[in-house]
Amino acid sequence: NAGVTQTPKFQVLKTGQSMTLQCAQDMNHNSMYWYRQDPGMGLRLIYYSASEGTTDKGEVPNGYNVSRLNKREFSLRLESAAPSQTSVYFCASSRKGVSGNTIYFGEGSWLTVV
Amino acid sequence: SQELEQSPQSLIVQEGKNLTINCTSSKTLYGLYWYKQKYGEGLIFLMMLQKGGEEKSHEKITAKLDEKKQQSSLHITASQPSHAGIYLCGADIGGATNKLIFGTGTLLAVQP
Repeated sequence: NAGVTQTPKFQVLKTGQSMTLQCAQDMNHNSMYWYRQDPGMGLRLIYYSASEGTTDKGEVPNGYNVSRLNKREFSLRLESAAPSQTSVYFCASSRKGVSGNTIYFGEGSWLTVV
Repeated sequence: SQELEQSPQSLIVQEGKNLTINCTSSKTLYGLYWYKQKYGEGLIFLMMLQKGGEEKSHEKITAKLDEKKQQSSLHITASQPSHAGIYLCGADIGGATNKLIFGTGTLLAVQP
C-alpha cells in the first residue's frame, strides 16, 4: 500500500539551483496536486492536474513548473530556486466519486533554499 | 488572499474545555474536508461533508456544513492534549475541474 510517494523528503538548495520534486500514486487517481505549506498560511495550491494530460495553475504558481508525465506521476520543478521557496511541499491525489473527493497526501518534502 | 478563511488562527484551551473552529468561503463548496496535522508531520483525514446541513461526528469531534454550503465548523468537546495540532479545512471549489484548496489553518494547544 504505497499510496502517494514523494521524493526527496529533505533537500537543501543554493539560490539559483534547479531541482525536481517527484510524486507518484498507485491508486489510479485522475487528479493530482502540489501544495506548499508555510507557517500561518495553511496549504496553498501551486498547480494541479485534473486528469492525465492537463495541468492548471493554483494559487501560487510563480517560480514553478509541473509535468503530468502519465497518470501515476506528477512532478514539480523549480528552475531557479529562491529563498522564498523554502517550504514544505505536499503532493496529493484524489478520486472523485458520488460521495465526493477522496484525497490522499504524500508525507511531505522539506526544502530549504539558502 | 485565500478563498477559504479559517478562524481563529490559533487557540489555547484548558484540558476539558470545548472549542470551535470555523471555515468560511464566499463561494459554494462542493465538498468540505477537515484534516489534522501534527507539527512536522503529514495530514490526517478527519471528516468530509458534502450536503448542506450535514453533520458528522467522530469520537469527540463534530463537523457541520451550513445549509448554503459556504461555512463549516469543527467542534471539539472536552478537549484533551491529544487534540493539539493544526486543523485545516479543505474544499472542492472546482466542480468539474476538481480544484482542491485549503484554509489558513488553526493551531490548537491544549493545556493540561
